[in-house]
Amino acid sequence: EAGVVQSPRYKIIEKKQPVAFWCNPISGHNTLYWYLQNLGQGPELLIRYENEEAVDDSQLPKDRFSAERLKGVDSTLKIQPAELGDSAVYLCASSLDPGQGTGELFFGEGSRLTVL
Amino acid sequence: GNSVTQMEGPVTLSEEAFLTINCTYTATGYPSLFWYVQYPGEGLQLLLKATKADDKGSNKGFEATYRKETTSFHLEKGSVQVSDSAVYFCALSESPGGGNKLTFGTGTQLKVEL
Repeated sequence: EAGVVQSPRYKIIEKKQPVAFWCNPISGHNTLYWYLQNLGQGPELLIRYENEEAVDDSQLPKDRFSAERLKGVDSTLKIQPAELGDSAVYLCASSLDPGQGTGELFFGEGSRLTVL
Repeated sequence: GNSVTQMEGPVTLSEEAFLTINCTYTATGYPSLFWYVQYPGEGLQLLLKATKADDKGSNKGFEATYRKETTSFHLEKGSVQVSDSAVYFCALSESPGGGNKLTFGTGTQLKVEL
């Protein structure tokens, strides 16, 4: 079974440029998460989707960050414009619905962003 | 709010040494507790979990016991191997109210040398 797939793995851009990250969750997982991981830190939740609905986006900086999950499967996270402080790893994860399964989140390998 | 505190790394051990990585938490209610591991160049993956007080999670020789009285979930292994070198993250989930949202600690890097 395929795991969570993210792309690109690495992205280098100049500040003020836009960038987008794509995530394909595990088949059958209705819940999808985007996490931000700064160097030497633990992941922090940016947004959580249940199907197409963003049920927790309280930590998403909405002035420059946006996300979508059309059709409740793939998701895209966008930053426009990027700032130097956005350099980090952006992790996507998926899970079965809350209350089902083991509560385990399955993570992709992450997209490492460097803003120059 | 919820929080997880882990001992700082890096932790450097010789092969076959005993490992303890401390983790304490702050949460309202009765969280589930997890240890995730991130091997070099790979994504985070679940190592073990415990969903209620006094539960012991175990996997690959690692163990952790959910201690409600001390709000702790320390990770232990009796004999580490070079292949255990990785970053270990303690995390909690206040499911079902919080869904499967995880709150992570800052991670502890483990280096095992021959």
